[in-house]
Amino acid sequence: KQEVTQIPAALSVPEGENLVLNCSFTDSAIYNLQWFRQDPGKGLTSLLLIQSSQREQTSGRLNASLDKSSGRSTLYIAASQPGDSATYLCAVRPINTGNQFYFGTGTSLTVIP
Amino acid sequence: GAGVSQTPSNKVTEKGKYVELRCDPISGHTALYWYRQSLGQGPEFLIYFQGTGAADDSGLPNDRFFAVRPEGSVSTLKIQRTERGDSAVYLCASSSLPTDTQYFGPGTRLTVL
Repeated sequence: KQEVTQIPAALSVPEGENLVLNCSFTDSAIYNLQWFRQDPGKGLTSLLLIQSSQREQTSGRLNASLDKSSGRSTLYIAASQPGDSATYLCAVRPINTGNQFYFGTGTSLTVIP
Repeated sequence: GAGVSQTPSNKVTEKGKYVELRCDPISGHTALYWYRQSLGQGPEFLIYFQGTGAADDSGLPNDRFFAVRPEGSVSTLKIQRTERGDSAVYLCASSSLPTDTQYFGPGTRLTVL
């Protein structure tokens, strides 16, 4: 069974810092990996989707990379802002287990003004 | 519609009762997913629909849980003889293709007393 781990579980940074969130997965046979953000009491908002053939995706201040062979992805946030405070989740869609997506438990980010 | 909608937003019920949770996906999206999220955890896959059929229901925890999507659009998750352990946020997501970006609804918070 695919296991998805996110480190750290919580992170607090001052405004303006660049930061990296980590996601690791145990089975490298995946279709894609997706990063989400979740605000308290809300659903998930998709940030970036990386297909298995891609190495990275960028959207504004966000950059996600994928190293499928080592089972790792990182989400880089540049020039962090208080509005970035949320929980960030990664999810992978394995090739060998039907249509299930496996989620990590998330990293709770707090950006201090 | 503009996004995925779910009703009700909150549902409080008593142990042993029957509940129905509704999901309206983005218009035209053929893939629909149900997830369950407990506090401090990532979403856990329950069931996936492609069109009208349940293509993968391997995540349903037991036979008290059932979901339908009769016309390939709206889906209903049904839980019989609810138990306190069923308390969680139930999330619905849709995508235009199974390998594409998932768009989530705001969730239904189910509390079983």
